[in-house]
Amino acid sequence: DVKVTQSSRYLVKRTGEKVFLECVQDMDHENMFWYRQDPGLGLRLIYFSYDVKMKEKGDIPEGYSVSREKKERFSLILESASTNQTSMYLCASSLGRGISETQYFGPGTRLLVL
Amino acid sequence: SQKIEQNSEALNIQEGKTATLTCNYTNYSPAYLQWYRQDPGRGPVFLLLIRENEKEKRKERLKVTFDTTLKQSLFHITASQPADSATYLCALDRDDKIIFGKGTRLHILP
Repeated sequence: DVKVTQSSRYLVKRTGEKVFLECVQDMDHENMFWYRQDPGLGLRLIYFSYDVKMKEKGDIPEGYSVSREKKERFSLILESASTNQTSMYLCASSLGRGISETQYFGPGTRLLVL
Repeated sequence: SQKIEQNSEALNIQEGKTATLTCNYTNYSPAYLQWYRQDPGRGPVFLLLIRENEKEKRKERLKVTFDTTLKQSLFHITASQPADSATYLCALDRDDKIIFGKGTRLHILP
């Protein structure tokens, strides 16, 4: 079974802090994704990566950056956390590109920015 | 612009009955469509994938249809159980990525 783990289930940070969210997958998947999920807005893609050291912007990249130094690990960075970044953050991975490849999600990190 | 629409209101179904959820899309010609289940506080879990040339797909008590003329997919759960209560998301391909609908919350009433 594919396993995607996220470093924290719950996180509380203060405005202006730098926040790191870590995601690790154990199935040698090429692709990794970061989403945020908010009530009424659904899942929105922040960034994704098709290869090590490669990143592409999703639909809402502003205020975020990412890092993929190793194939199994994809980090989401909030450079200066703001209250509007309070959300559920979900990491996912897939073997190949596109819809034909199932996405496997982690359990999520619920981030509260005060 | 491309849009995916799922019933935003919760769906209440009596245990044992068939639950039917709808996913409509516009300005799209997706080659595939997926359905996921999400429980509160958890990440989505993949259920089924259907291709545009497949009219129907089944997996145990689940059935998905894909009508490219109507631009609609229907997701059915037969003999529904309280354990089927969750939010169900549909997802379609766009530019080599997946976009998700907002999901429909399903309650199976005992």
